[in-house]
Amino acid sequence: EDQVTQSPEALRLQEGESSSLNCSYTVSGLRGLFWYRQDPGKGPEFLFTLYSAGEEKEKERLKATLTKKESFLHITAPKPEDSATYLCAFGGRDDKIIFGKGTRLHILP
Amino acid sequence: NAGVTQTPKFQVLKTGQSMTLQCAQDMNHNSMYWYRQDPGMGLRLIYYSASEGTTDKGEVPNGYNVSRLNKREFSLRLESAAPSQTSVYFCASSEAGGADYGYTFGSGTRLTVV
Repeated sequence: EDQVTQSPEALRLQEGESSSLNCSYTVSGLRGLFWYRQDPGKGPEFLFTLYSAGEEKEKERLKATLTKKESFLHITAPKPEDSATYLCAFGGRDDKIIFGKGTRLHILP
Repeated sequence: NAGVTQTPKFQVLKTGQSMTLQCAQDMNHNSMYWYRQDPGMGLRLIYYSASEGTTDKGEVPNGYNVSRLNKREFSLRLESAAPSQTSVYFCASSEAGGADYGYTFGSGTRLTVV
């Protein structure tokens, strides 16, 4: 069964304390690996798409990387406004996207 | 830029009542999707429509029906609501090949069934 697993489930960091979120997948036939940000009471907001191992994308304090079986979302010197749930999703052969359950990130001022 | 618009934003139903959740997108996307999001369960696909005139079941279709009214609109109907259908419902859309480009989501409908 195709699966996308995110870890940790929740993460509390001090402002400025860099860390990484993990997304591992047990599916084949990668067409796209997606990262979304979701704020409380809102829909997921698109952040990045990665297509092949070795690819990296950056946006402000966030950098997403991809290997053959994992993706990482690196957060450098986070600020309280980076607090949100971060969702990883995998697009495969059947043209549907499988979502992980997310990592709840809380940045303390 | 409206993107994906969902109505209503909040709804409370009594068990057995029916209702339709509305979704419209203005990006000329071919594919549209309905998800539900529950604590600890993540986003689960209910139904999707790969193109106008087609609909298919997703992971959790029981108790729901859908209608792709035209290219812009995709509605989700609960014929006889049950407490287990209390959830947050998200509509999403994508260009053809959602697995390549990802989805654009609406802001959600929070449904409580009592």
